[in-house]
Amino acid sequence: DADVTQTPRNRITKTGKRIMLECSQTKGHDRMYWYRQDPGLGLRLIYYSFDVKDINKGEISDGYSVSRQAQAKFSLSLESAIPNQTALYFCATSDLPGTAYNEQFFGPGTRLTVL
Amino acid sequence: GDSVTQMEGPVTLSEEAFLTINCTYTATGYPSLFWYVQYPGEGLQLLLKATKADDKGSNKGFEATYRKETTSFHLEKGSVQVSDSAVYFCALATGNQFYFGTGTSLTVIP
Repeated sequence: DADVTQTPRNRITKTGKRIMLECSQTKGHDRMYWYRQDPGLGLRLIYYSFDVKDINKGEISDGYSVSRQAQAKFSLSLESAIPNQTALYFCATSDLPGTAYNEQFFGPGTRLTVL
Repeated sequence: GDSVTQMEGPVTLSEEAFLTINCTYTATGYPSLFWYVQYPGEGLQLLLKATKADDKGSNKGFEATYRKETTSFHLEKGSVQVSDSAVYFCALATGNQFYFGTGTSLTVIP
């Protein structure tokens, strides 16, 4: 089974609708992240969380909100979706830094289309 | 601020050709450096990493050396295969953040 899962994998919705993307992980990591990927722009950080009580805005948080329901679950919401939020969304996790920074582990992505 | 700049693509190579994808970084402190690969329809997977200056990361025939003097972490492979066709991302971790390059698309033709 995959260590980081995302649901749904694909979603088509209409402008103004509320959408929730969900992420679950079995790696036991405290740190979780949401990114969006757009062609030519790479990955941009939306929100990140270092534990259940810690939520931080990333580079492009406007129009998004998150909820960390448990160590293993981190949800991303679009309160009122707009077409320029059409993108590929990735959840990622990482362990606490030790003597060096550890890598992130990514889910398979959710392709969201807002019409 | 901290950032990663990588070679723009797309890159098209014939099978068995030599590959270099350039990556340079700007960072304070002592970052860790990574190369990730994204195959079509999938998420990013770690390809290799290096955590301190002069470290060489390697995996599946790919290599990259952490060069602090030139702030670079170029990805190389001596002989690419069709199965290496993917998008490659350079990334760094420093402080509590990860920073990704914009990705380089590689297509290998038989």
